[in-house]
Amino acid sequence: DAKTTQPPSMDCAEGRAANLPCNHSTISGNEYVYWYRQIHSQGPQYIIHGLKNNETNEMASLIITEDRKSSTLILPHATLRDTAVYYCIVRPYTGGFKTIFGAGTRLFVKA
Amino acid sequence: GAVVSQHPSWVICKSGTSVKIECRSLDFQATTMFWYRQFPKQSLMLMATSNEGSKATYEQGVEKDKFLINHASLTLSTLTVTSAHPEDSSFYICSARDLLALGANTEAFFGQGTRLTVV
Repeated sequence: DAKTTQPPSMDCAEGRAANLPCNHSTISGNEYVYWYRQIHSQGPQYIIHGLKNNETNEMASLIITEDRKSSTLILPHATLRDTAVYYCIVRPYTGGFKTIFGAGTRLFVKA
Repeated sequence: GAVVSQHPSWVICKSGTSVKIECRSLDFQATTMFWYRQFPKQSLMLMATSNEGSKATYEQGVEKDKFLINHASLTLSTLTVTSAHPEDSSFYICSARDLLALGANTEAFFGQGTRLTVV
């Protein structure tokens, strides 16, 4: 599985955009980038995923660089409820679809 | 969206007893379910892959005789922690994928987790 690197923690002011970076320099051509988040004492929640094009949904936007070696998750208007650990995951196309979690980024949204 | 439900949400048991945790996919069928364990301030660690109608596949270092997994139907997988000890206290989380969803570009759904405390 391709490995990802994320900063251990980040702060963001409420109402501002939160930009969470992820490096995945060993990503293979048919691997997708997924983002999940985990609010304290809950199971992970799917946010968004992409292959090579930028993606947007009601929760966030995902920007993937042209070489696909890194990506950024953008929460356009962070709220206090967005405080969580955010996991960037690269998942192989085959192999049982196991989701392997790295250390993630702990995002603190402050009032 | 698809829902995965775990039961119980939390459990306290005495050392030496066994505890069963259930994971159900409520509105879809899941050929494969995954079990994770998470210690405080750490990430999720994959323990095993549960396949309906066959033996589970355990990750390296996970004792299969201690963590018994049964996936008897397309909507239910159970994890039994046998002869639990305080070091087994952890947050256990299951995950499932929709049988009809093919390819890597589909999300995995997670249960809300079960907090096990062994005293």
